[in-house]
Amino acid sequence: GESVGLHLPTLSVQEGDNSIINCAYSNSASDYFIWYKQESGKGPQFIIDIRSNMDKRQGQRVTVLLNKTVKHLSLQIAATQPGDSAVYFCAEMYTGNQFYFGTGTSLTVIP
Amino acid sequence: ETGVTQTPRHLVMGMTNKKSLKCEQHLGHNAMYWYKQSAKKPLELMFVYNFKEQTENNSVPSRFSPECPNSSHLFLHLHTLQPEDSALYLCASSPEGLAGGLAKNIQYFGAGTRLSVL
Repeated sequence: GESVGLHLPTLSVQEGDNSIINCAYSNSASDYFIWYKQESGKGPQFIIDIRSNMDKRQGQRVTVLLNKTVKHLSLQIAATQPGDSAVYFCAEMYTGNQFYFGTGTSLTVIP
Repeated sequence: ETGVTQTPRHLVMGMTNKKSLKCEQHLGHNAMYWYKQSAKKPLELMFVYNFKEQTENNSVPSRFSPECPNSSHLFLHLHTLQPEDSALYLCASSPEGLAGGLAKNIQYFGAGTRLSVL
């Protein structure tokens, strides 16, 4: 099966700083990626997605970067806030198949 | 609120018990999913229903039995579980199933049922 992994299981940032969460994927045929946020006691919540024909996509305070050469995905959160503290998952999909999720990175925002 | 409601939120059961998990979505979606989430492991897809028809069963033991009476409701019937089945069970829905086009695959999750098997 495919593996989706994260470089760091935990990340601590100061409130107001930018956060970068990384994700490596192994299937070069993956053509769609999603970032999810999971707060304590809740299910994963969709943040942003990107297709393989794009390198960058921006949302509200979040940016996803895709580097297909090294099969690397990152989520950037600008001006991190305490409410951003959560576990962040990346998920990859190749056409017609299911999503494969990473194990998650736990982000802690220090006030 | 995500529009996907799971009950109960917590469940403790013995290995000989029979219980059911319920999921209801109010989003008008046509596909529903069961996932298992264990500590420090990736989400594991268990079952997929598309237009009430089961389209995926990822080698899940028969002690887990899904039921999808309509596109809005999904059940997971549990019997003779093992302690290693203790986990968070998540339900999700999406506008269409996995082959429905990328943007229609975005899955919306419920808060999950925290299951403990004693």
